[in-house]
Amino acid sequence: GAVVSQHPSWVICKSGTSVKIECRSLDFQATTMFWYRQFPKQSLMLMATSNEGSKATYEQGVEKDKFLINHASLTLSTLTVTSAHPEDSSFYICSARDLREIDEKLFFGSGTQLSVL
Amino acid sequence: SQQGEEDPQALSIQEGENATMNCSYKTSINNLQWYRQNSGRGLVHLILIRSNEREKHSGRLRVTLDTSKKSSSLLITASRAADTASYFCATDRGNTDKLIFGTGTRLQVFP
Repeated sequence: GAVVSQHPSWVICKSGTSVKIECRSLDFQATTMFWYRQFPKQSLMLMATSNEGSKATYEQGVEKDKFLINHASLTLSTLTVTSAHPEDSSFYICSARDLREIDEKLFFGSGTQLSVL
Repeated sequence: SQQGEEDPQALSIQEGENATMNCSYKTSINNLQWYRQNSGRGLVHLILIRSNEREKHSGRLRVTLDTSKKSSSLLITASRAADTASYFCATDRGNTDKLIFGTGTRLQVFP
């Protein structure tokens, strides 16, 4: 199946700094990628849809200026958590569809554990 | 907002036993999917069932869908310790690519 690579796997940063997370589709092109957030022992919450060459669409309640998304190419989307605070600590996961697949399933990156001190 | 509710929240069984997880959702769907997540990792797609299907099999997995009750179940037969993970159902939101995940079931299989 298709492979989605996400980096870094974990990051620890000081409060007030910005953190960038990369999501790459390795063997397919992804015009759309999805960013989710997950708290411990909870489900995934969709944060935003990243669209190649255009603005991301954010879910209700997600701050656009806080979570900057850039989808500059067909294989790369980035999520930047700006001025991170302890409450931003969470597990962030990206995903994408491979349009060559018949099923509408998503391929997920391995996730990024963000800890803000 | 989350669309799916799953039960049980947690399930502990012995190897060889069957595990059944249930998912209920709120709005009409085109398809329902099940994913597995090992602790601290990304999700892996297990199986997809379309709204016009009632049952589907894949190896030791059996999925049912009842659109009249807006519910689905995932059965794992002859469970193994390696099946220990969290399992999530996911439904599409209208005619979009977006998937909305259920609350998940944490399955523990003891050797």
